[in-house]
Amino acid sequence: EVKLLESGGGLVQPGGSLRLSCAASGFTFTNFYMSWIRQPPGKAPEWLAVIRNKANGYTTEYNPSVKGRFTISRDNTQNILFLQMNTLRAEDTAIYFCAGGIAYWGQGTLVTVSS
Amino acid sequence: IQMTQSPSLLSASVGDRVTLSCKAGQNINNYLAWFQQKLGEAPKLLIYNANSLQTGIPSRFSGSGSGTDYTLTISSLQPEDVATYFCQQSNSWMYTFGAGTKLELK
Repeated sequence: EVKLLESGGGLVQPGGSLRLSCAASGFTFTNFYMSWIRQPPGKAPEWLAVIRNKANGYTTEYNPSVKGRFTISRDNTQNILFLQMNTLRAEDTAIYFCAGGIAYWGQGTLVTVSS
Repeated sequence: IQMTQSPSLLSASVGDRVTLSCKAGQNINNYLAWFQQKLGEAPKLLIYNANSLQTGIPSRFSGSGSGTDYTLTISSLQPEDVATYFCQQSNSWMYTFGAGTKLELK
């Protein structure tokens, strides 16, 4: 059974940092593109970043809205996906999902940026 | 690539045939997925590559289209289909979603 479990969300002040984690199991992690997607309350999802699979050299892409502030990475020995988020803004408030390919999604973790 | 969904709200009765539309700002070569999202849940993949049914999804869901214009059809609406539906393109980075169609029962 495929499982993706996000953690690390919470309340942070503007300008602060958070590191999200996503523990993956039930599939061959290195074969999959892994992504972070966020969804502000009542709005559509927004694809933030993708890190490609082993066959594609684990290269990365970022949404311009987070490029330079967020960093996606993966630990292929422990099957964990990360999102380092710096210089957080109020508009970063959302539920953050990790995804394997486009079919496998976690349940999400809430990030709230507020003073 | 901008994705435009219509309508934004759709009311239909149980048993109705329902059609949702999604238009891409440029040719996306059938790299189009449809997701269903119920309140408080993660989006769930229904259709990928415009017309391929994801494993475990009921056959009343189907996708069609090409180029810039795509459609999700529910052949006979069931009460459990009440949800918001998003289209999403992965033809080229940056992957983008439409704003969604909220489907409710009449």
